[in-house]
Amino acid sequence: EPEVTQTPSHQVTQMGQEVILRCVPISNHLYFYWYRQILGQKVEFLVSFYNNEISEKSEIFDDQFSVERPDGSNFTLKIRSTKLEDSAMYFCASSEARVRGAYEQYFGPGTRLTVT
Amino acid sequence: GDSVTQMEGPVTLSEEAFLTINCTYTATGYPSLFWYVQYPGEGLQLLLKATKADDKGSNKGFEATYRKETTSFHLEKGSVQVSDSAVYFCALETETGANNLFFGTGTRLTVIP
Repeated sequence: EPEVTQTPSHQVTQMGQEVILRCVPISNHLYFYWYRQILGQKVEFLVSFYNNEISEKSEIFDDQFSVERPDGSNFTLKIRSTKLEDSAMYFCASSEARVRGAYEQYFGPGTRLTVT
Repeated sequence: GDSVTQMEGPVTLSEEAFLTINCTYTATGYPSLFWYVQYPGEGLQLLLKATKADDKGSNKGFEATYRKETTSFHLEKGSVQVSDSAVYFCALETETGANNLFFGTGTRLTVIP
């Protein structure tokens, strides 16, 4: 069965460093998402991406964050200058289309980001 | 704003016990409601969903009914198995058309033999 993959599974970085989290969505999917979960808190939506541009973003997704689909398969989340509070599990997801309640979002296993 | 409040865990049950994980939501209009499950080392997987009031979603013996009057979508299973040990997430998608999901905190379920 097709699945969303994410690399690395765990990333440790120092405060102020740039990180890139990578995701390979399911191949025929058109919509891509990033979510994050700070330990003990809710899973929060960050951004959705379609047709090579951001379609929605949350208040969390500020100028320190960017997303890109650099080739036909990868979908990346970049944090320019990491802060301690960026430590979280980051989940990538993809869906075939976007009709309310009709198309499942498929999630990857997550990348645990630890900022020291 | 739109949000989901989920029963906090962890929950530990013996095999064949009855499971309830509570979920309530706040949203305008008629959101779609979901339960996702995350097994160790895997991504979140859709377990079941309901898109309108009084709908019952069901899958793998799990059920949840969309209750508009109590703004709830509680997850139930009559007889849990060790293989049901996982983290369960309640989520909603708003009526407005943007299909980003609002999640709860997740509830870790451990089933012991």
